[in-house]
Amino acid sequence: GAVVSQHPSWVICKSGTSVKIECRSLDFQATTMFWYRQFPKQSLMLMATSNEGSKATYEQGVEKDKFLINHASLTLSTLTVTSAHPEDSSFYICSAQGQGVTDTQYFGPGTRLTVL
Amino acid sequence: AQSVTQLDSQVPVFEEAPVELRCNYSSSVSVYLFWYVQYPNQGLQLLLKYLSGSTLVKGINGFEAEFNKSQTSFHLRKPSVHISDTAEYFCAVSWGDYKLSFGAGTTVTVRA
Repeated sequence: GAVVSQHPSWVICKSGTSVKIECRSLDFQATTMFWYRQFPKQSLMLMATSNEGSKATYEQGVEKDKFLINHASLTLSTLTVTSAHPEDSSFYICSAQGQGVTDTQYFGPGTRLTVL
Repeated sequence: AQSVTQLDSQVPVFEEAPVELRCNYSSSVSVYLFWYVQYPNQGLQLLLKYLSGSTLVKGINGFEAEFNKSQTSFHLRKPSVHISDTAEYFCAVSWGDYKLSFGAGTTVTVRA
């Protein structure tokens, strides 16, 4: 099946710094990529949807200036958490989807962010 | 509002016993339905999906699910579980757009 990678898998940073997380579709072109946030023992909450070459669409309540998303190519999307604070600590998961609305979303392994 | 409800937050089960995980969603004209599994500290892996056609869907690892339009349900079943099936299971629904809405998840713990 299709493979989606994320890098890094685990990051610790100091409060006030910025962290960039990469999401790559390794063997297919992803027209659309999604970023989710998952708190411990909870479900996934969609943060934003990004399409290659256009601005991301953020879900209600998600600060677009804090969570910067760039989808520069059909195989790469990045999420930058700017001026991170301890409350931003979470598990961030991306997914990638092909061109059709019924195409399966393939999920990356996730990135554990801990802000000290 | 559109919603996905997983009725069981935790399901303990003995090895080789059957298991059923329940999922209900708010009604709509057309839905696409998915079950994903998440192992500890990992992303999600697709178990199976329903887009159209036969209401009984077979997936990987011996799982199957049945789409019931009248009851707006998409329950997941496996006739005989293994220790390795211990994981978190998520039901997800798409209401005709690209987005997935997830249920709260069901923790399955398989005991010997």
